[in-house]
Amino acid sequence: QTVVTQEPSLTVSPGGTVTLTCASSTGAVTSGYHPTWFQQKPGQAPRALIYNANNRHSWTPARFSGSLLGGKAALTLSGVQPEDEAEYYCLLYYSGGWVFGGGTKLTVL
Amino acid sequence: QVQLQQSGPGLVKPSQTLSLTCAISGDSVSSNSAAWNWIRQSPSRGLEWLGRTFYRSKWYSEYAVSVKSRISINPDTSKNQFSLHLNSVTPEDTAMYYCVRDVDWGNWGQGALVTVSS
Repeated sequence: QTVVTQEPSLTVSPGGTVTLTCASSTGAVTSGYHPTWFQQKPGQAPRALIYNANNRHSWTPARFSGSLLGGKAALTLSGVQPEDEAEYYCLLYYSGGWVFGGGTKLTVL
Repeated sequence: QVQLQQSGPGLVKPSQTLSLTCAISGDSVSSNSAAWNWIRQSPSRGLEWLGRTFYRSKWYSEYAVSVKSRISINPDTSKNQFSLHLNSVTPEDTAMYYCVRDVDWGNWGQGALVTVSS
């Protein structure tokens, strides 16, 4: 059973920078896994921020960036805003289907 | 602009089949570049990809291992929609269900809370 692992929780100060990571139990994450990042706020559906590792949607603020870092997919928030407090999920593609990570609860404090 | 509209019952009895439909506008279920997914979310299981269907010269379906023996996802080209059927449901299948296009994961249905209860 493939497992995708994210940090359970992170805390960042307003204006700071934080990097969330997404690791695969099968080894290094590459662009072939089509890493996708979602943000979910309470009571709302998940919303895609980044797809194919580093592509922003039109609604994704420029302070969000996706990359591949040290064998993992990464989501970096630079200049964090209070409204960035949310749950963040990554999604990876494996031959035969997609697997979600368990999510990272980001607290802005 | 791609829009996905979900429909289906919100209450299903244990051991019965959960069926949901996702109507597509602004794209084709037969698109050679898109795939059509079902995802669910519950407090106990988190976000869970269930499966998808897509057309690449012929029809394909892929399913999560966790539900593979109970699930089918089928396209309906005449109505430009796709459906989810999950049989032998238990209360563990109670969740919010979403249909999603995975070109860029930017297009989601409105979501449907399905409760499995007698």
